[in-house]
Amino acid sequence: DTEVTQTPKHLVMGMTNKKSLKCEQHMGHRAMYWYKQKAKKPPELMFVYSYEKLSINESVPSRFSPECPNSSLLNLHLHALQPEDSALYLCASSQDLALRGALRGFGQGTRLTVV
Amino acid sequence: RKEVEQDPGPFNVPEGATVAFNCTYSNSASQSFFWYRQDCRKEPKLLMSVYSSGNEDGRFTAQLNRASQYISLLIRDSKLSDSATYLCVVTLPSNTGKLIFGQGTTLQVKP
Repeated sequence: DTEVTQTPKHLVMGMTNKKSLKCEQHMGHRAMYWYKQKAKKPPELMFVYSYEKLSINESVPSRFSPECPNSSLLNLHLHALQPEDSALYLCASSQDLALRGALRGFGQGTRLTVV
Repeated sequence: RKEVEQDPGPFNVPEGATVAFNCTYSNSASQSFFWYRQDCRKEPKLLMSVYSSGNEDGRFTAQLNRASQYISLLIRDSKLSDSATYLCVVTLPSNTGKLIFGQGTTLQVKP
């Protein structure tokens, strides 16, 4: 069982909707990540938070807005998405950014469909 | 040239076969190396880290060749449950937390 929990597991939203994806971990990890994965492609990094501060934004469009309210929670706020944003959104965490030998856990993902 | 390259396959093998995947990386400063496994419509799961000395976990053996900049994964006595996509993952020494994924190699083990 994964120790990174994502909700919801599935989400269908219209292009004018506002929704949020949630991610939670209680492993004491201080780095948290959002990835986007399209079918038959590897995960693509979107955002990295370290100690609740945004560390990396991989030039993600502003219709995706991350938020890290505390060390255990990571949100991804969605607004005015396009159909091409439909994908599996994965949250992950690690002890810190160094990653050397650190175990990386992914959540089960939210499968997002934009209609 | 892609930062991490893998043969996408698919590799179709019979149960009990031994199969090997290679992965090459372009940045000689790459720091840490991993193999992840991803089942269809599921999240990636860490299979094993890869060390220069090589490491083994049951039927799985991983090797790192820094001189030639490739890593390998060997699966012995393949099981039907080994069918999945295997992702080669590399980190750079920048401590940004960024994982660089290969495209993945699909393995299909058949009865």
